[in-house]
Amino acid sequence: SQQGEEDPQALSIQEGENATMNCSYKTSINNLQWYRQNSGRGLVHLILIRSNEREKHSGRLRVTLDTSKKSSSLLITASRAADTASYFCATRHSGGSNYKLTFGKGTLLTVNP
Amino acid sequence: DGGITQSPKYLFRKEGQNVTLSCEQNLNHDAMYWYRQDPGQGLRLIYYSQIVNDFQKGDIAEGYSVSREKKESFPLTVTSAQKNPTAFYLCASSIRARMDTREQFFGPGTRLTVL
Repeated sequence: SQQGEEDPQALSIQEGENATMNCSYKTSINNLQWYRQNSGRGLVHLILIRSNEREKHSGRLRVTLDTSKKSSSLLITASRAADTASYFCATRHSGGSNYKLTFGKGTLLTVNP
Repeated sequence: DGGITQSPKYLFRKEGQNVTLSCEQNLNHDAMYWYRQDPGQGLRLIYYSQIVNDFQKGDIAEGYSVSREKKESFPLTVTSAQKNPTAFYLCASSIRARMDTREQFFGPGTRLTVL
């Protein structure tokens, strides 16, 4: 079953604006990760937030996690045209001995120059 | 340079043929994964391996097979039993951590088209 669901499916903004993407999930998680994918390329890991963390920063990225609402958000500040890509959240279920991540369908971000 | 490579970048196959996609990593990672991505969709897990000579089915394993004879290599065979094989295939690897799932490192992908 689909674990992570990103919202919105597509987002178009102007350079310099902030971009916010959301991710919701259904079952308890160990951690939540955000990845970026440029068109036709592999995914690149951006940031990991654990279930006992509420907020994390990395450069222009800010991730929040609300386990009571089973949701996360990714904020990209002062966006650039080079930030144009698809962004995916991925969750690792709590418990179990496997190392699987479950990916959402992604948010396509377009940053217009 | 450390990294994960996939070959070929583009692959064309006739219906009824098996085809093998290559995935190699020199990151010394124990765990490796194969995903399938369809247009506008997220990634779906086909198979994963946590250690050499061991692998498990993911969510959509039917019509696919894998082997893990070496730590560095995790080839994926798309068999003729796979009804709709045209897709973008991504290989990934990660550290095998006991209590946590770490970040996955992805290869550049192979785009398979069945003619």
